[in-house]
Amino acid sequence: SAVISQKPSRDICQRGTSLTIQCQVDSQVTMMFWYRQQPGQSLTLIATANQGSEATYESGFVIDKFPISRPNLTFSTLTVSNMSPEDSSIYLCSGKQGMNTEAFFGQGTRLTVV
Amino acid sequence: KNEVEQSPQNLTAQEGEFITINCSYSVGISALHWLQQHPGGGIVSLFMLSSGKKKHGRLIATINIQEKHSSLHITASHPRDSAVYICVAVVLSQGGSEKLVFGKGTKLTVNP
Repeated sequence: SAVISQKPSRDICQRGTSLTIQCQVDSQVTMMFWYRQQPGQSLTLIATANQGSEATYESGFVIDKFPISRPNLTFSTLTVSNMSPEDSSIYLCSGKQGMNTEAFFGQGTRLTVV
Repeated sequence: KNEVEQSPQNLTAQEGEFITINCSYSVGISALHWLQQHPGGGIVSLFMLSSGKKKHGRLIATINIQEKHSSLHITASHPRDSAVYICVAVVLSQGGSEKLVFGKGTKLTVNP
């Protein structure tokens, strides 16, 4: 299985600012995903990061708030824009090397907005 | 009702005890994952299974497709097993792509 390095592991940010989270995979993966886990809640899919094209967002998430880049098959970023305290969550990326394959995950980014 | 339900929500055990965490799902799945989430948020994939049983060290995962139920067992539990365990259903969505549906997790605390 692949290994994903996710950075930063945690950050405390001022409201109104933006934070970009990076995920670097040690091998090429066809599928990459970004999730949010709000306090006490389960992981929720934000979007599927598509290589070379715009991400596919789930209901309730929009590109202006969570712009995503995926310039190649090993790297993706998620930006949390114009942050508010409600954005305080764990953000997680994951990858899969194809359908019916095991999913693997980054270490998570614990974001606190003050 | 969540498509993936886990029980119990919280579990406290003494070191050495046998642990069982249950997962029931209401959708058709192509596979099911068990994940371990550490206090800092990082996640490790423990198992992916679509039928039968898998074993890795002290961990055993089983799935019954007909009953739409999976269990994760930990034998001879240890304080280092303390974590949140998450069940994840792999669902085929419209268009043929896969979607991961997460349970809320079971927080396990193993006391020495």
